[in-house]
Amino acid sequence: QSALTQPASVSGSPGQSITISCTGTSSDVGGYNFVSWYQQYPGKAPKLIIYEVSSRPSGVSNRFSGSKSGNTASLTISGLQAEDEADYYCNSYRSSSTLVFGGGTKLTVL
Amino acid sequence: EVQLVESGGGLVQPGGSLRLSCAASGFTFSSYSMNWVRQAPGKGLEWVSYIQNSITTKYYADSVKGRFTISRDNAKNSLYLQMNSLRDEDTAIYYCTRDGGYSYEHDHWGQGTLVTVSS
Repeated sequence: QSALTQPASVSGSPGQSITISCTGTSSDVGGYNFVSWYQQYPGKAPKLIIYEVSSRPSGVSNRFSGSKSGNTASLTISGLQAEDEADYYCNSYRSSSTLVFGGGTKLTVL
Repeated sequence: EVQLVESGGGLVQPGGSLRLSCAASGFTFSSYSMNWVRQAPGKGLEWVSYIQNSITTKYYADSVKGRFTISRDNAKNSLYLQMNSLRDEDTAIYYCTRDGGYSYEHDHWGQGTLVTVSS
């Protein structure tokens, strides 16, 4: 089961916006609106920040937004803050009745 | 408050077995599907297994199919993962997660339990 494709790293300055892509196929990302995103700090459990492509759980900042076009989902963080420096993972349902994560993206706030 | 507490991790030799448990509280456990997700040291997240709230449906990653078995006891608010024929590459932190019910999202996570497979 191959993972979804994410860039290994992205960076941005405080106040800027960054976008993390998550590329799959028509059997996962492109075939269903079952994409979610997670934020993970070192040594901590991941936290859900986006579900169903673009919905935010209660308590998650509106600086986080999600979208999808074709086989690629995207996470955008606007007004970048130092506290956003973390690892980010996408996740999708796949038609073979499995779930699959992306390889993860390390966000550095310059 | 939703709480998921994993236990049962430890050091095991290759070919050995281990049973992980996850104690759930703060929500109606029988109403939610659950998952196991793992993370090898310094690596990314890997989904391992899913079990529907009604126990009728179970999914497994190819990497564990035939070796791991997911189960749950709704009366005890507990989730389990029986791991047999363990390999070095099964070494990881194992997280218990709750399915939020919208898009197979993992809306709550436990703190994880470390499984180390080594001789």
